[in-house]
This record gives sequence, C-alpha cells and structure tokens, in this order.
Amino acid sequence: AQKITQTQPGMFVQEKEAVTLDCTYDTSDQSYGLFWYKQPSSGEMIFLIYQGSYDEQNATEGRYSLNFQKARKSANLVISASQLGDSAMYFCAMRGFNQGGKLIFGQGTELSVKP
Amino acid sequence: NAGVTQTPKFQVLKTGQSMTLQCAQDMNHEYMSWYRQDPGMGLRLIHYSVGAGITDQGEVPNGYNVSRSTTEDFPLRLLSAAPSQTSVYFCASGPGQGITEAFFGQGTRLTVV
Repeated sequence: AQKITQTQPGMFVQEKEAVTLDCTYDTSDQSYGLFWYKQPSSGEMIFLIYQGSYDEQNATEGRYSLNFQKARKSANLVISASQLGDSAMYFCAMRGFNQGGKLIFGQGTELSVKP
Repeated sequence: NAGVTQTPKFQVLKTGQSMTLQCAQDMNHEYMSWYRQDPGMGLRLIHYSVGAGITDQGEVPNGYNVSRSTTEDFPLRLLSAAPSQTSVYFCASGPGQGITEAFFGQGTRLTVV
C-alpha cells in the first residue's frame, strides 16, 4: 500500500525567505510519481510540481523545487522567496505508474507567510 | 478549454435523500476520480475510473456509486445521504500515458443535515 506523510500541520515563514515543506512516502512500486498541490482559501487544487521516481535531477518550476531523496523516501517542497500569496494549504501526493486515477494524498501543511 | 467541470458548487441535503454530483471533462482524459476532503485528513479517494465502462473502489467507497458510460462524464451518486458524508468533493481527471498530474474541478461543498 502507498502512504504519504506530512508531519507539519502548520508553518510560518517571513516574506521573501525560503521555506521547506516536508513529505515522506512509502510504496512498493518501482515506478511512481510525486506531486505537490496548493490549495488557497478559495478551495481549488492547483498543481505545482512533479517528480518521477526515475528522474535523476530534482524538479524545479519557477520558485518551487522538489528536493527528492529516493533512498530516504522523501520529496520535500522548497519555496524560495516566499510571497504573501503563497499562504495556503499544501498537499503532497503520489501515484504508481500503472495506477492512473489513484492519487494518494498526505494530510497537508498550512503555510502562513508573514509580511 | 473548460477543463474539469463539477456541478453543483454547493448543496444541502436532508438525511436519507439521494443526489448525483456531476463531473465532466473536455480533455479526452482516460482517468477520472472522485475524492472527498475532510479537515485534517487531506483528500481521500472514493472511486476512480481508467476508462469508459471501467470503475473501481478507492479508500472510502461506502455510500457512493459511480458509473462511466462516456469518456467525458463521471457522476458520483449518493444513495442515501448521511451526516458523515458532509464534506468537500473533488473530481479529477488525467491522461492515460505515463505519470502526469491530475486536473481538478472546483469542488462541491455538500452538507447533510
């Protein structure tokens, strides 16, 4: 069975500073993908970044990067230069290669950016 | 492109009533899924489909039915609503090739009284 664990229910960061949101996972699949989604107070789910299990380089998308450590089964999200608009819930999720439609989510981390 | 469209956005039901949450996607995606989101529990998979005519249960399927007669539509039916089904429901879709992100609808906030 697959499992995602996010151990930080809430975090604070000062505007313009970097922040790391933790995510650990467990799976017996050899091929899988790891995802991060942002959910602002308006409620929609916004895709941020993706990392494949066979990708050797960490994924980056603008201010977002995914610190992927396969041996430690961790996929932490790093947000550089935090902005007030980054205040939201952040969810880590994973899916096996042959398990289309079956995203498994963590409990989420609520990030608050202070001015 | 409309993407993934869910209706309604809000709904209040009485205990025992039935209803259908609608989900439609216009991206020709093979995969479609339904999730419920409860405070402190993230999103949990209810049912999913890997193509027209094929559905399977997720983590929390009890009390819900689905069918997939077309690629575009994946309705979620509540057979006899219970207060425990008060939640925010999300529909998502994704392409069949490789591992890609899921595209989510705007969500349906359901309250069962």
